[in-house]
Amino acid sequence: DAKTTQPTSMDCAEGRAANLPCNHSTISGNEYVYWYRQIHSQGPQYIIHGLKNNETNEMASLIITEDRKSSTLILPHATLRDTAVYYCIVRVAGGGSNYKLTFGKGTLLTVNP
Amino acid sequence: NAGVTQTPKFRVLKTGQSMTLLCAQDMNHEYMYWYRQDPGMGLRLIHYSVGEGTTAKGEVPDGYNVSRLKKQNFLLGLESAAPSQTSVYFCATTRFYEQYFGPGTRLTVT
Repeated sequence: DAKTTQPTSMDCAEGRAANLPCNHSTISGNEYVYWYRQIHSQGPQYIIHGLKNNETNEMASLIITEDRKSSTLILPHATLRDTAVYYCIVRVAGGGSNYKLTFGKGTLLTVNP
Repeated sequence: NAGVTQTPKFRVLKTGQSMTLLCAQDMNHEYMYWYRQDPGMGLRLIHYSVGEGTTAKGEVPDGYNVSRLKKQNFLLGLESAAPSQTSVYFCATTRFYEQYFGPGTRLTVT
């Protein structure tokens, strides 16, 4: 699976958009970009994933650059409950052992009142 | 629908003791995983299973054994606990693109 690079920490004001970057310059053509988050002491939670098109769901938007070497997770209106560690993960889709997720250290997002 | 549950939530062991962590899921998923998370680190895969009766090693399997006798349960065993196994253990299942995680078991080995 391709390696990812994320900033260690970021701050965001409550109500503003939080933009979390991720670099994955060695991504392969069949690898997806996944985002998970982990609120303190809880199990990780799936947020969103994409291959090359921008994606949006009820939690967030995912913007992937045209060359697919980087992406940005956008939380449009951050709340205090969005304070968490956010993990960007790149892996192939498919069954078997390919369902394994490789977690790095992620980005600690702190939303301030 | 409880999703993924883990038993126990907390445990303190002495070096050399044994214990089993239980993961149960009610989503009828084939794939199940055990991860460990150490302070300031991401999750690391210990073992996983792609179906009832199957198990496979992850990236940090040493010191652990697993069994998947029933589809809904995935057991993680520590035969002789060591202080290096002090960690938070998470179980997960997968369906298509999303992994569902349990609440975790906090284990301390003294």
